[in-house]
Amino acid sequence: KQEVTQIPAALSVPEGENLVLNCSFTDSAIYNLQWFRQDPGKGLTSLLLIQSSQREQTSGRLNASLDKSSGRSTLYIAASQPGDSATYLCAVKLNTGNQFYFGTGTSLTVIP
Amino acid sequence: DGGITQSPKYLFRKEGQNVTLSCEQNLNHDAMYWYRQDPGQGLRLIYYSQIVNDFQKGDIAEGYSVSREKKESFPLTVTSAQKNPTAFYLCASSPNGGIGEKLFFGSGTQLSVL
Repeated sequence: KQEVTQIPAALSVPEGENLVLNCSFTDSAIYNLQWFRQDPGKGLTSLLLIQSSQREQTSGRLNASLDKSSGRSTLYIAASQPGDSATYLCAVKLNTGNQFYFGTGTSLTVIP
Repeated sequence: DGGITQSPKYLFRKEGQNVTLSCEQNLNHDAMYWYRQDPGQGLRLIYYSQIVNDFQKGDIAEGYSVSREKKESFPLTVTSAQKNPTAFYLCASSPNGGIGEKLFFGSGTQLSVL
């Protein structure tokens, strides 16, 4: 069974700092990996999706990378803002089956 | 606007009562999913459906039931057999088979026990 881990569980940074969130997975036979943002009491909003054949995806201040061989993905946030404060989750979909496997998330606080 | 609508936003269940959470999507997606989220834990899959009139159990299906009579609707019933139902429930959908397989979520239902 696919295990997805996100470290750290919580992170607090001053505004303007660049930061990296980590996601690791045990089964490298993935179809894609998706990063989400979740605000308290809300649903998940998709940020970036990386196909297994891709190495990275960028959207604005966000950049996600994927290294299948090492079972790792990172989400890089440039010039962090207080509005970036939220929980960030990663999810992987395997080549077989239709399930998505989620990490437990990293709770990010950006201090003004 | 296209999207996924979950209702109600808050729901309270009495002892021994069955309650139903609604999930409707107008994205024309084939696949739909129900997840449970507990504080400090990741999302856990309850049930998923790839096509109308078909669904499969996820990792924590006991005490829950679903139906998929229409493509756009995937209601979840929390039965009295589910002894610890307090959680945040999230419905999601994906195109199923298309390139990308992006997952889209509703805004969630918070279920609490009275």
